[in-house]
Amino acid sequence: NAGVTQTPKFRVLKTGQSMTLLCAQDMNHEYMYWYRQDPGMGLRLIHYSVGEGTTAKGEVPDGYNVSRLKKQNFLLGLESAAPSQTSVYFCASSKTGGDHTGELFFGEGSRLTVL
Amino acid sequence: GDSVVQTEGQVLPSEGDSLIVNCSYETTQYPSLFWYVQYPGEGPQLHLKAMKANDKGRNKGFEAMYRKETTSFHLEKDSVQESDSAVYFCALSDRSSASKIIFGSGTRLSIRP
Repeated sequence: NAGVTQTPKFRVLKTGQSMTLLCAQDMNHEYMYWYRQDPGMGLRLIHYSVGEGTTAKGEVPDGYNVSRLKKQNFLLGLESAAPSQTSVYFCASSKTGGDHTGELFFGEGSRLTVL
Repeated sequence: GDSVVQTEGQVLPSEGDSLIVNCSYETTQYPSLFWYVQYPGEGPQLHLKAMKANDKGRNKGFEAMYRKETTSFHLEKDSVQESDSAVYFCALSDRSSASKIIFGSGTRLSIRP
C-alpha cells in the first residue's frame, strides 16, 4: 500500500551542485505536484502536472525544473542549488475528472540542505 | 491571485478547551475549501472539506463551515484532546481549473495536558 513515495528522504548539497528528487505514485492519479515547506510559510506550490508529458509553473518555480515522462513519476530538478532552496519538499498526487475534489495525497517529504 | 490567510502561527489550549483556528481566503472563482493536518515526520493529509457555500465539513469532532459572505472557513472543536496536537493547514482549490491547491501558512496546535 505504497501511495506516494519520495526519494531520497534526506540530502545535503553544496552550493552549485545539481540533484533530482523522484516522486512515484501507484494510484493511477493524473495530477501530480511539488510543494516546498518552510517555517511560517506553509506549503508553496513549485510546479505541477495535469497529465503525462505536461507541466506547469506554480507559485515559486524559479530555480527548479520538472519532468513527467511517465504517468506514475514526477521528477523535480535543481540545476544549481542555492542555500535558499534548503527546505522540505513534498510531492503529492490527486485524481481528476468531473468531480475532482482537490484531495491531495502526499509523500513523506524529502529534506534538502544546501550548504 | 488566490490566497489563504491563517492569522495564528501557534495556539496553546489546554486539554478540554474549546478551539477556533481562523482561516480566510481570497479568490475570484468558486473554490472548494479544505483543512489538512500534518503530524510530525509525515506529509499532510486531508482532515475535512467543504465543496460549496454553507457546507460544513466534519471529522473527529472538528467542524468548519464554508462561509461565502465572510470568505472564511474557521476550524472549530468543542473540546480538544492531546492527540489533536499537529499542524493544521487551510487550503482552497479553484474548481474552475481544479489544478492548483493553495495552502495557508499553517497553525501549530499544541495541547497542554
